[in-house]
Amino acid sequence: NAGVTQTPKFQVLKTGQSMTLQCAQDMNHNSMYWYRQDPGMGLRLIYYSASEGTTDKGEVPNGYNVSRLNKREFSLRLESAAPSQTSVYFCASRDRQPWTGRNGYTFGSGTRLTVV
Amino acid sequence: GQQLNQSPQSMFIQEGEDVSMNCTSSSIFNTWLWYKQDPGEGPVLLIALYKAGELTSNGRLTAQFGITRKDSFLNISASIPSDVGIYFCAGLGSQGNLIFGKGTKLSVKP
Repeated sequence: NAGVTQTPKFQVLKTGQSMTLQCAQDMNHNSMYWYRQDPGMGLRLIYYSASEGTTDKGEVPNGYNVSRLNKREFSLRLESAAPSQTSVYFCASRDRQPWTGRNGYTFGSGTRLTVV
Repeated sequence: GQQLNQSPQSMFIQEGEDVSMNCTSSSIFNTWLWYKQDPGEGPVLLIALYKAGELTSNGRLTAQFGITRKDSFLNISASIPSDVGIYFCAGLGSQGNLIFGKGTKLSVKP
């Protein structure tokens, strides 16, 4: 049982390049989330998908797009990368209600992105 | 937007010491969570709190959900070297998203 799998683990982009970060979960969770983590900032929500077929903006959506391809997969796309998007990106998934605590919210191990 | 203030930002521990950190918010949360993050990994849930006033333990960790629902604290008793890492508090938002504090970095005293 892999949980939440993110690819790639590391990536270096040049300013203006595009790329897609992949995320897949095998726990049959309905909701999926993309966060970014910057030094001293904690994790901030970029986009989320409450269920298959829906996506919504989070706190810091500018410069990103997402696709909920199916129930398992939720991708994050940078159309034209900027140095300000250098960060560690985490995907997460969680159960529907009721909130089940320890088994409800699972994070991937992250994608470390550097934009030069 | 909602923000969580977590303190201290960093602390040094000596093995065997007790550790305490806390989190406050200007908004009410109905669920508080505490996570630990090791280098190169995603956050891992330590304790979840669902009820105001609730005190919950997980081994040497104890966390409390404040009565006002605007704060929480985490205590670690008799710390050991593997306790080092970054600890995050988080409140559960209305969309099922997590609102995180900025973290408390725990390091070993030189």
